[in-house]
Formats: sequence, C-alpha cells, structure tokens
Amino acid sequence: EDQVTQSPEALRLQEGESSSLNCSYTVSGLRGLFWYRQDPGKGPEFLFTLYSAGEEKEKERLKATLTKKESFLHITAPKPEDSATYLCAALGGGGGADGLTFGKGTHLIIQP
Amino acid sequence: DAGVTQSPTHLIKTRGQQVTLRCSPKSGHDTVSWYQQALGQGPQFIFQYYEEEERQRGNFPDRFSGHQFPNYSSELNVNALLLGDSALYLCASSWNSEQYFGPGTRLTVT
Repeated sequence: EDQVTQSPEALRLQEGESSSLNCSYTVSGLRGLFWYRQDPGKGPEFLFTLYSAGEEKEKERLKATLTKKESFLHITAPKPEDSATYLCAALGGGGGADGLTFGKGTHLIIQP
Repeated sequence: DAGVTQSPTHLIKTRGQQVTLRCSPKSGHDTVSWYQQALGQGPQFIFQYYEEEERQRGNFPDRFSGHQFPNYSSELNVNALLLGDSALYLCASSWNSEQYFGPGTRLTVT
C-alpha cells in the first residue's frame, strides 16, 4: 500500500526565516511526486510535479527537490502570505489510473 | 479560462439521506477524480472517471458512486449518509498526471 508521511505537522517561522518541509514516501513505481498549497476551506492549489530523483523545481520563494525516498519543499525568506497548509502527494503503480496518495500536510505559519 | 468548478458550495443533510455533488472540469481536461478531505487530514481518493467509465477506485464503500457525462463533467452520489461522511469533497481534473482541484463542496451530515 502506498504511503506518504509529512513532517513537521506544524511549523511557525518568523518572516524571512528559511526552512524546509519534508515528505517521505513509500510507493510502488513512483510516477510523480506533487506539491500543493491549501488555504483554509479551499481546494488545493497545484505547485510542482517532480518525476525522478535529482529533479528540482522553483517558483518564487519555493523550491522542491526529490530523492528516491523523500521530497523537500524549501522556503526561502518567507512572507506572511506564504502561510498555508502544504500537501505532498504521490502517484504510483501502473495501469494508467491516477489516484493520488496524500500526506496529512504541514501547517505553516509565517509571523511578521 | 475557467478552472475546475463545483456545486453546491455548502450542503447540510440528515443521516440516511442521499446527496449529489457536481463538478465541471478545466477546459481541455478529460479525466475527473473525486477526493474526500476530513478536517485536519489530507485528501483521500474516492474514484476516477475517464471516457465515462470508472477507471480506479479507492477504499470507499459502494454507497459512493459516480458518473461522467459526454462533456466530461461529473457527479458524485452518496447514499444512506452517515455522520462520518461530513467532509470537504474535492473534484480534480486532468489530461495528464497533473491534477487541478476545484474549491470543494462542504458537506455536513446531522
């Protein structure tokens, strides 16, 4: 059974204080690792897709990286508007179907 | 370009009732997936529809059923509602592996 574990569950940072969120996965035949941002009461917003170990993607203050066992979301000099829950999801297996397995998320708070 | 849309936004139902939720995919997307998200948890995969057929199903009972129409829009039906079905129901559309989510429908069962 595919599993995704995110840590920490919650993280409080000062504005400008860089940090990293972790996503560990156990997936048979990884076909993609996805990061989403979710604001309270809203649907997840797509951020990145990573397909193979060593791949990196960047968007503004966020950078996602992937190894064979985990992915990291690095946040550089965050601002209060970066406060949200960050979700990691894995797509595994074959057969062409695309049901994502999600972690529980990391609740990030950036204090001014 | 309109993104994924869902209706209704909120819904309150009584135990034992039935509910239908609706989803319109992003333009150009032909695949729709449904997820259930309980408070404080990550989304859980319910099922996926492609070419009007259920292509994959997660660990949910047969009370959960769906349909996809020729225009790629989709419905999620839940019968015999339980208190534990209270959650945010999310629809995601895709044409490759990248899934884009709608705003969700908040279902409360009393």
